[in-house]
Amino acid sequence: AQSVTQPDIHITVSEGASLELRCNYSYGATPYLFWYVQSPGQGLQLLLKYFSGDTLVQGIKGFEAEFKRSQSSFNLRKPSVHWSDAAEYFCAVGALYNNNDMRFGAGTRLTVKP
Amino acid sequence: DSGVTQTPKHLITATGQRVTLRCSPRSGDLSVYWYQQSLDQGLQFLIQYYNGEERAKGNILERFSAQQFPDLHSELNLSSLELGDSALYFCASSVAGAYGNEQFFGPGTRLTVL
Repeated sequence: AQSVTQPDIHITVSEGASLELRCNYSYGATPYLFWYVQSPGQGLQLLLKYFSGDTLVQGIKGFEAEFKRSQSSFNLRKPSVHWSDAAEYFCAVGALYNNNDMRFGAGTRLTVKP
Repeated sequence: DSGVTQTPKHLITATGQRVTLRCSPRSGDLSVYWYQQSLDQGLQFLIQYYNGEERAKGNILERFSAQQFPDLHSELNLSSLELGDSALYFCASSVAGAYGNEQFFGPGTRLTVL
């Protein structure tokens, strides 16, 4: 079965600084990869997704992610973080032949310093 | 607002009891997913229904069951509740049951078992 590892439990960045959240996946075939954001007390919102094609994917709120097959990674980046980006971020991998059974990483909590 | 609604928002009950969580998917979405989010287990996929039929099963306990009704709303039934069942339960919906479709998450139901 597929799995996801988010190595960083908690990251703190200053407002205006760049951000990179790491995600490593394990799956035997081409994965379907997602990044979701969860604000306090809210459900999950999709930031971006990768299925195929261009390995650099643009998402909402100025986020992007790059799929690197050789490193089994799908890191999320943002050039300049805003205070409103403080939230929990989840990477997820979907299985091609398993009816949308998505596996989520443990999440990375982002704190933004003023 | 994702368009997915969940009721109730909060539920407090005692061990051994049974509860029902309700989810209404976005208009037009045929697929419903249930997830459990807890501090120790993270976000876990429980079960998926597509147009009234069970499509995929994840880490769902035998004490838990779900169904999707003809109007496409879904209910998650949790019985013989234990302290460890305390968690946030999310429902998500997508257009179809095929892989890769974006899942839209509801705000969740917070279950507390005392």
